[in-house]
Amino acid sequence: AQSVTQLDSQVPVFEEAPVELRCNYSSSVSVYLFWYVQYPNQGLQLLLKYLSGSTLVKGINGFEAEFNKSQTSFHLRKPSVHISDTAEYFCAGRNYGGATNKLIFGTGTLLAVQP
Amino acid sequence: DAGVTQSPTHLIKTRGQQVTLRCSPKSGHDTVSWYQQALGQGPQFIFQYYEEEERQRGNFPDRFSGHQFPNYSSELNVNALLLGDSALYLCASTPAAAGGTGELFFGEGSRLTVL
Repeated sequence: AQSVTQLDSQVPVFEEAPVELRCNYSSSVSVYLFWYVQYPNQGLQLLLKYLSGSTLVKGINGFEAEFNKSQTSFHLRKPSVHISDTAEYFCAGRNYGGATNKLIFGTGTLLAVQP
Repeated sequence: DAGVTQSPTHLIKTRGQQVTLRCSPKSGHDTVSWYQQALGQGPQFIFQYYEEEERQRGNFPDRFSGHQFPNYSSELNVNALLLGDSALYLCASTPAAAGGTGELFFGEGSRLTVL
């Protein structure tokens, strides 16, 4: 991936409501795409990844994402959020077949779940 | 099974000083990458080490250097510190055999403050 764009810096949502965090990428080659979550004062934890095959990817904690090649998007969704989902979420991409597994990250989206 | 461990967790330096950050990869992992995460930003790739050699480097000046030891642990060194070097430095490991599809496991980071 040459760049990864997260359009929303912050997404406020009420508990038990659905949420979608948006991610777009640009690349001249095929890409692998990832979503990571970062809780306060912690490192990054992988939520899910798209490598190939089915465009709908399911991850941990009830999250899923859909790879859309025509729209160059990889939006993250959850049908019902919990207070504990409050965290920073990062979308990242890596070029297929690259010599290393260098990741290009977006700037992050803060998911703020309110009671 | 210990994950990726980093030390120190926090440190404060003054401009012009030098700093060394340390990382022990997850058991079974032989490839180590370093990322810089400035406040409010996504992580940015610094470099990656495999077989004790730098395999790829991001857009960082030569003040940033690294090393990998035979036991796969790694150090990140930053010389002539600038205020702009203040950031969370993340170490990530992966097994080289996984190639480009391999998941990166991140440590909790070392938070560097330059005064």
